Amino acid sequence: IQLTQSPSSLSAAVGDRATITCRASQGIRSSLAWYQQKPGKAPKLMIYAASTLQSGVPLRFSGSGSGTDFTLTISSLQPEDFATYYCQQLNSYPLSFGQGTRLEIK
Amino acid sequence: EVQLVESGGGLVKPGGSLRLSCETSGFSFSIYSMNWVRQAPGKGLEWVSSIDGSSNYIYYADSVTGRFTISRDNAKNSLYLQMNSLRTEDTAVYYCASGSVRAGKYDYWGQGTLVTVSS
Repeated sequence: IQLTQSPSSLSAAVGDRATITCRASQGIRSSLAWYQQKPGKAPKLMIYAASTLQSGVPLRFSGSGSGTDFTLTISSLQPEDFATYYCQQLNSYPLSFGQGTRLEIK
Repeated sequence: EVQLVESGGGLVKPGGSLRLSCETSGFSFSIYSMNWVRQAPGKGLEWVSSIDGSSNYIYYADSVTGRFTISRDNAKNSLYLQMNSLRTEDTAVYYCASGSVRAGKYDYWGQGTLVTVSS
């Protein structure tokens, strides 16, 4: 299953709303997770089951979607949110990740 | 506190072998599925392999099938990845992560270990 994220990069200001999409090449129900990765660090789980917020993740993060189209939204960007975000499908093996979306400060 | 610590990375020549380890603590290792994910320099994440808690179900990416072997020792709370016939394209940071398809997430990750395949 191929996952295509868009955009590949996004420039936004602190306080802006950011939206990242992930499209699957075939239906994956709600078996999608989102990770945040900062340079030189391991990925961090943000959202799983398409819309469930991982414990400790700020409420400004939200996820939606099912089937083939998914969205990660950050309602009001904070300085610590600028990072690369990846979606991952956990519907069936072989598992796969999207190519990543780099969120940069404008 | 949950901890996953990878080791065993390094520089190896093409065709060579390397064994990665992931020592864990702070959770019930034996009931968790475990995974290896890699990231080539400047590139995205790539799923490599998964193993369930009892070692009954094992999966590999096509890119490593027949060359890599995942295993675990529940008595030692440790996960392993035996990598043979290494290629330059296997150069990456290798992360171990806990999680499963059933849980729908990879919730804990190690800091990664760098494998460089070069002559």
